[in-house]
Amino acid sequence: NAGVTQTPKFQVLKTGQSMTLQCAQDMNHEYMSWYRQDPGMGLRLIHYSVGAGITDQGEVPNGYNVSRSTTEDFPLRLLSAAPSQTSVYFCASSPTAGGLEQYFGPGTRLTVT
Amino acid sequence: GENVEQHPSTLSVQEGDSAVIKCTYSDSASNYFPWYKQELGKRPQLIIDIRSNVGEKKDQRIAVTLNKTAKHFSLHITETQPEDSAVYFCAAFSPNFGNEKLTFGTGTRLTIIP
Repeated sequence: NAGVTQTPKFQVLKTGQSMTLQCAQDMNHEYMSWYRQDPGMGLRLIHYSVGAGITDQGEVPNGYNVSRSTTEDFPLRLLSAAPSQTSVYFCASSPTAGGLEQYFGPGTRLTVT
Repeated sequence: GENVEQHPSTLSVQEGDSAVIKCTYSDSASNYFPWYKQELGKRPQLIIDIRSNVGEKKDQRIAVTLNKTAKHFSLHITETQPEDSAVYFCAAFSPNFGNEKLTFGTGTRLTIIP
């Protein structure tokens, strides 16, 4: 199994541009989530999904959209990038319904100029 | 919502000594407490977890203790080695129906001095 994969590894955007961060998992996990990691602030939940067709907001959802059309994929869309969205983004999946035991992808480092 | 505080933010210990990292949480309903290790430039990885029905769990050199009354839990690493150098995150899981989620602490950067 490849586990949780994310693309791209690095991305530079200009303010106002949009883009999609890709996340996929091949472990048949129902629960998937997106976090952002900023220095000194730990991991903050952006959006999560408990199964295909179901998504919900986390702690810091503003400026981001998600969809979950399949069990495997959970893309994160930045609608109009802002410098405050410069961060490292991690996707995670879990074999449990509530999101225990989360397995993280390798991360995407995003810089918005 | 849940609030998790983690201390210290940085910790340096001599190789072979023990390291302890402490976390407190606010939601008495939280029932699952994992610890993640993140090496430089890598993804967080689950190293140990504890559920609310036990007070201690050990796995070789690492152990986690939980005090539900005081709402705090701790990670203990004994006989530290250079490869233990990393950032460690605690987390607490709130099972509130429709809003189940993990809340992370802000991390502890552990440095093992050879």
